[in-house]
Amino acid sequence: KNQVEQSPQSLIILEGKNCTLQCNYTVSPFSNLRWYKQDTGRGPVSLTIMTFSENTKSNGRYTATLDADTKQSSLHITASQLSDSASYICVVIPYSGGYNKLIFGAGTRLAVHP
Amino acid sequence: GAGVSQSPSNKVTEKGKDVELRCDPISGHTALYWYRQSLGQGLEFLIYFQGNSAPDKSGLPSDRFSAERTGGSVSTLTIQRTQQEDSAVYLCASSSRSVETQYFGPGTRLLVL
Repeated sequence: KNQVEQSPQSLIILEGKNCTLQCNYTVSPFSNLRWYKQDTGRGPVSLTIMTFSENTKSNGRYTATLDADTKQSSLHITASQLSDSASYICVVIPYSGGYNKLIFGAGTRLAVHP
Repeated sequence: GAGVSQSPSNKVTEKGKDVELRCDPISGHTALYWYRQSLGQGLEFLIYFQGNSAPDKSGLPSDRFSAERTGGSVSTLTIQRTQQEDSAVYLCASSSRSVETQYFGPGTRLLVL
């Protein structure tokens, strides 16, 4: 069983609409949780970083939430744009006491259509 | 440079051949990571460098895989006797410290025929 599971696997929305991507994890204890955006053919780029004590973090039209009790996180995208078409990856960093080793979800592939 | 660079961007090789993948991290970043991303799969951790040493090699899938880092900068990932299941995108990332945000390169797309 994957330690970080994301849903849906893929999503199509119309430009201007909102959407929410889900991430469930079992990694415990963890240092922080991150959401990355990966454009096709590019490396992932960090969107948000949250420690286990934070509940929400925003970056422009992206808002991430974290519920450490239920081990769930979500990424909400507001007023989607065509450039939001990408894979969104949830990443959990275990508390390893010295260095970190990211555990990646398989990602949600988002397509924004005009 | 301004970001992490990797070369080659694409590599096609025949089964059984050796390949070398190169990563140039952001100048001054002491931590360097290699990951593998297979089609439709999440990223898989391979190896982590702090300076020139690799405290964590646990992700290397077999002894055909090795990596080195010299001068605290450039890193090379070597795959010997490549197999078709080695086909994937190999991503390199660097960070100023192990707990800081990792910056990824564009990856090397490896295809083993």
